[in-house]
Amino acid sequence: AQTVTQSQPEMSVQEAETVTLSCTYDTSESDYYLFWYKQPPSRQMILVIRQEAYKQQNATENRFSVNFQKAAKSFSLKISDSQLGDAAMYFCAYRTFLEYSGGGADGLTFGKGTHLIIQP
Amino acid sequence: ETGVTQSPTHLIKTRGQQVTLRCSSQSGHNTVSWYQQALGQGPQFIFQYYREEENGRGNFPPRFSGLQFPNYSSELNVNALELDDSALYLCASSLPGIAHEQYFGPGTRLTVT
Repeated sequence: AQTVTQSQPEMSVQEAETVTLSCTYDTSESDYYLFWYKQPPSRQMILVIRQEAYKQQNATENRFSVNFQKAAKSFSLKISDSQLGDAAMYFCAYRTFLEYSGGGADGLTFGKGTHLIIQP
Repeated sequence: ETGVTQSPTHLIKTRGQQVTLRCSSQSGHNTVSWYQQALGQGPQFIFQYYREEENGRGNFPPRFSGLQFPNYSSELNVNALELDDSALYLCASSLPGIAHEQYFGPGTRLTVT
């Protein structure tokens, strides 16, 4: 079974600064997807960025970028020019590449999350 | 395009009761997944429905069951509620063949007393 570990329960950053959230995972698969989701107090999970394991190039979405180290099984999220609206819980998640594995579809496997605080 | 919606927003039940939570998929999405998020934890996969059949399940007992309807809306049913079932229940929908790209609803907060 896959596991996802987020070792930072809480991170704090000054507005306009850069912050990096850490995530490590464990899997025996070679192809898979990795995600960062944002969950603000409204509770709705919002997809921030996605990385396919077979792509060596790190994904970027505007101020958000990842550092994907496949051999180290590490997937960190960098937020540049932090804004007050970035304050939220951030979850790292894994999903198998296979649509069906072990006889059925797999859902996302999430870490426990990192609470990001933005200091004005 | 309408996003994923869930109802009710909150509800309170007593231990031993049964509860039904509802989810409407985003337009065109025929795959629905349900997750349980306990306080301070990440979501845990309960099951997934595709074409009205359960086609994947996490580590949850049979008293957690579901339905998917022809319009792709879905229900999560929990029987014999336990105190540990208190959690945020999230529904996520996805497009055919792209089950890895899931769009979440706002969730239903269930409290079991």
